[in-house]
Amino acid sequence: EAQVTQNPRYLITVTGKKLTVTCSQNMNHEYMSWYRQDPGLGLRQIYYSMNVEVTDKGDVPEGYKVSRKEKRNFPLILESPSPNQTSLYFCASSLLVQAGSGELFFGEGSRLTVL
Amino acid sequence: EDQVTQSPEALRLQEGESSSLNCSYTVSGLRGLFWYRQDPGKGPEFLFTLYSAGEEKEKERLKATLTKKESFLHITAPKPEDSATYLCAVQAAGGSYIPTFGRGTSLIVHP
Repeated sequence: EAQVTQNPRYLITVTGKKLTVTCSQNMNHEYMSWYRQDPGLGLRQIYYSMNVEVTDKGDVPEGYKVSRKEKRNFPLILESPSPNQTSLYFCASSLLVQAGSGELFFGEGSRLTVL
Repeated sequence: EDQVTQSPEALRLQEGESSSLNCSYTVSGLRGLFWYRQDPGKGPEFLFTLYSAGEEKEKERLKATLTKKESFLHITAPKPEDSATYLCAVQAAGGSYIPTFGRGTSLIVHP
C-alpha cells in the first residue's frame, strides 16, 4: 500500500530535549516536505527536499533541521525544542514532476507537545 | 507576500443542500491553486489543481472553479460523508515549491 509513515504519532517532551520525527515513504518519490499545522494559522511549510542531499527552507524553518540521506526518508529534527514548537506536524511527498501540481501525499500527522 | 483567505470558516448544511466555499488569493504569478480535503485526525488529501482562470475540475459532488482572484469549491447535493475541512493553497510561479495554505473551511453536512 502506498503510504507516508510518520513516527511517533504522539509525543510529549520537555524544553531542550532533542527529538526526531521520522518520515518514510514507499512510493519512490523525489520530493518530500514537512509542514506544521496550528489553529488559526493553517498549514505552513518548514522544509522541503527535491531529492537526496538537496534540502531547502520553507516558510518557518527556525528551530528545525532536516536531512535527506536516502530517497525514502526525511526526518525532522528539533535540536532544542521550545513550547512554541507544540504543533501538529505533517510529512508529505510526491513525484518531482507533481510537486508543482500540488498533488502531495500526506502522512497521518505527529502531534507534538513541548512542556 | 502570497495570501490565501478562505470563507466561510465553518459551514453547516443539510444533506442535499448545495453550496459553495470560497478561496480568495493574492500571489505574484500563479503556478497553481490546490484544493485538499482533511478529515479529523488525518493528513490532507489532494482533490484538485487549477492552473488558469476559467479552468474547472470535477470529482463526484465537488466542482472547483478558478478566476484571477478567487476559486470556488461547489458542493452539489452534499452527503454526510462530505463533512471535512477543505483547504485551499496557492503556489507561486518560480523555482521554489512552497505552497501557501488558507486556514480552511470546516464543513458539516447533517443527515
